[in-house]
Amino acid sequence: DGGITQSPKYLFRKEGQNVTLSCEQNLNHDAMYWYRQDPGQGLRLIYYSQIVNDFQKGDIAEGYSVSREKKESFPLTVTSAQKNPTAFYLCASSPRWAYEQYFGPGTRLTVT
Amino acid sequence: QKEVEQDPGPLSVPEGAIVSLNCTYSNSAFQYFMWYRQYSRKGPELLMYTYSSGNKEDGRFTAQVDKSSKYISLFIRDSQPSDSATYLCAMSDAGGTSYGKLTFGQGTILTVHP
Repeated sequence: DGGITQSPKYLFRKEGQNVTLSCEQNLNHDAMYWYRQDPGQGLRLIYYSQIVNDFQKGDIAEGYSVSREKKESFPLTVTSAQKNPTAFYLCASSPRWAYEQYFGPGTRLTVT
Repeated sequence: QKEVEQDPGPLSVPEGAIVSLNCTYSNSAFQYFMWYRQYSRKGPELLMYTYSSGNKEDGRFTAQVDKSSKYISLFIRDSQPSDSATYLCAMSDAGGTSYGKLTFGQGTILTVHP
């Protein structure tokens, strides 16, 4: 089955620790995206990548970092510099030259 | 003012009702419009995708775009309890430096009660 997987589903960390969220897709999509969703708010773009080894900052990139070494994978690191890291994180992908995006199931990160 | 405004609701309707969900936007460059459905604690699922103005129908769902008014709608006919979810509108312009970026509304929470 083709799709996007995110792991883990729930993640708990102590303040001051970096944490990496996994996103893998087997849809052969070129572009991948990371969003953050907070209660009552829409999705806000953190980082996106149109091709391997290239990525751009989204609207709220501060305190986050990404890498895109493989077409299938786009991990997101939430660093200790992110002031309010507790949120629902969503990964998405889209085919080349397409505008619609397809989402993974999400990872709920709680930092205490 | 946000680029995309969506009434957060919540909206509660009886089973079988026709539901109208709406978004307004300010960026006249938006040309691609999407509706996503998101169940609680899940990722959004693409429901409808339209380009420019007009209507698109898929089963019980109809997406409508009025670019002159900068207004998009999603209609759900014969609503079912399984339609209870948060509905997100999203839109994109034709490219340039923002190619691939979607701008989302904040979502409308819909409950369809039996």
